[in-house]
Formats: sequence, C-alpha cells, structure tokens
Amino acid sequence: AQSVTQLDSHVSVSEGTPVLLRCNYSSSYSPSLFWYVQHPNKGLQLLLKYTSAATLVKGINGFEAEFKKSETSFHLTKPSAHMSDAAEYFCVVSPEREKLTFGTGTRLTIIP
Amino acid sequence: DGGITQSPKYLFRKEGQNVTLSCEQNLNHDAMYWYRQDPGQGLRLIYYSQIVNDFQKGDIAEGYSVSREKKESFPLTVTSAQKNPTAFYLCASSIARLAVYEQYFGPGTRLTVT
Repeated sequence: AQSVTQLDSHVSVSEGTPVLLRCNYSSSYSPSLFWYVQHPNKGLQLLLKYTSAATLVKGINGFEAEFKKSETSFHLTKPSAHMSDAAEYFCVVSPEREKLTFGTGTRLTIIP
Repeated sequence: DGGITQSPKYLFRKEGQNVTLSCEQNLNHDAMYWYRQDPGQGLRLIYYSQIVNDFQKGDIAEGYSVSREKKESFPLTVTSAQKNPTAFYLCASSIARLAVYEQYFGPGTRLTVT
C-alpha cells in the first residue's frame, strides 16, 4: 500500500530564511505525489504535484519540491519564507486514480 | 466564479440527532469526496462518488451516509450511529477523466456535537 510520512510535525523558521518540509513516501511503483496547504479553518489548496514528468516541480507562491526515487522523498522547499506562509502543509500520495492518502501534516510557523 | 461551497461553516447539534452537511460544486467535475479532519491528523476519506447515483465507502464510512442525485451536489449525513462526530468536514471534487485525479477542496464545515 502507498503511504507518506511527514518527518516533522512542526517547523519554525524566521521570515526571509529558507523553508524545508520533509516527506518520505512508500510505494511499489512510481507514485503521483502532491503538496497541499491549509490555512486555519480553511479548505486545502494545491501547491504542486508530481506525475512522473520532471523531477523538480514548481508550484505556487514560490514553493517547489524534488522527487528523489533513490531516497523515496518528496521534500517541499522555498528559498525565503514570508509571514503569509504560516499554515499546515500536507504531503499526499495517490494510491489509486480516484483516491488520496494524506500525511499527518506539518505546521509551519514563521518568526518575524 | 467556479468553486466548491459548503454550508454552513459552523454547525452545532445535540447528541443523538442526525445532521446533513451540504456540498455543491459548479466546476462540472465528475467525482466528489467527503473527508474528515481531526486535530493533528491528516484527512481521512469517508465516501466518494465518481458518477451520479453511485458512491463508494472510504476508510471511515461507519456512521455516515451520502447521496448523489445530481452531478453538482453530494450531501453528507452524520447519523446518530457515528460515535465521535465532532470534527472538521471537507468536501472535494475532481475531474474523473484525467490520468491524475487532482482534487479541489471546499472551505469546510466544523461540526460540534454535544
């Protein structure tokens, strides 16, 4: 079965410094992977998706993620954090076309 | 504007009462989904529907029921049989014809049962 593990439940960074949110996946074949963001009491918004094309995926708001098959990782990065990036981030794998399996989330806090 | 609407945003019910959460989409998407979110956890799939008049159980369907009479609507009923119904409920939709089912989410309904 496909699954994802988000390695940090909470990450704090200072405004203007890089962001790294870590995600490892488990899959018997090449998966489809996503990162979603959720602001407090809101729905989820798609940041980016990997679907076996380019391994470096660029998303919205300056975020990007790199698919590394050898490390079974799909870490989310941003060069410079902004206060508006404070939110919950979910790494997601699609085990079947119509289903998503969510990680437990990483809460990102931005320190002014 | 196209999107997914969920109403109401906050819902309060007494224990033992059934309650129905609304989800409407005007994106012309074929598939719709209901998720439950609890603090510190990811989303868990309750039910999903790929076509009108058809739906499948997700991972935590017990105590819930759904209907899909129209393409744009997928209401969720939380029955009195659901042992711990207080949670944040999210509805989503996707285009079933794509190779990857990218899902779009509504703003959610926070249900509190006392």
